[in-house]
Amino acid sequence: SYVLTQPPSVSVAPGQTARIVCGGDNIGSKNVHWYQQEPGQAPVLVVYDDTDRPSGIPERFSGSNSGNTATLTISRVEAGDEADYYCQVWQRSGDIPWVFGGGTKLTVL
Amino acid sequence: EVQLVQSGAEVKKPGESLKITCKGSGYNFTNSWIGWVRQMPGKGLEWMGSIYPGDSDTRISPSFRGQVTISADKSISTAFLQWSSLKASDTAMYYCARLEMVYVLEGAYYYYYMDVWGEGTPVTVSS
Repeated sequence: SYVLTQPPSVSVAPGQTARIVCGGDNIGSKNVHWYQQEPGQAPVLVVYDDTDRPSGIPERFSGSNSGNTATLTISRVEAGDEADYYCQVWQRSGDIPWVFGGGTKLTVL
Repeated sequence: EVQLVQSGAEVKKPGESLKITCKGSGYNFTNSWIGWVRQMPGKGLEWMGSIYPGDSDTRISPSFRGQVTISADKSISTAFLQWSSLKASDTAMYYCARLEMVYVLEGAYYYYYMDVWGEGTPVTVSS
């Protein structure tokens, strides 16, 4: 089955830019979605279809996807961005259509 | 406002049965897939299965096949996740989510993402 690989952790100082990567075989051909999960909370969709933001998500959150790597970029990081971030793809074929990455813990120093 | 409201926390003993719920509001519940996602303590997100309330078409991950049952009652806009015999290893947070479909005219393909999530139902199984 398809596998998505994320680094377990990323650290960044407030005001800097955080980049969280998600690796997968030819992931650039798929639609990648990103979820933010703050401690003790349900996940929230922050980017869908590689680059689009749902209403209410700040412009500081952006995404890209090419080749074997998708990236979630958070600009001007704030303390409130500290959370776990998961990438996800959906695939029409196979036993497991919904695949999540293992998650990345973003720490704001 | 689109919302999914889940049933409250459960504490059960091994071998007991359980059914948790996910009630949708603010949209046509019949026309959107609902997915169930497990999160074990300190771990990541795992897709368990999905159901289309309109016709109860169901997909279940091989990891959970035979372990859980997913169903829905469109008359009350509610999806269900149930176990007939719980194990300690079922201790986890369970989320439901609406699966939004997007059809892309160029390329004539579609894809899904989870746009709205319930608040989660914590399940503890302990003797």
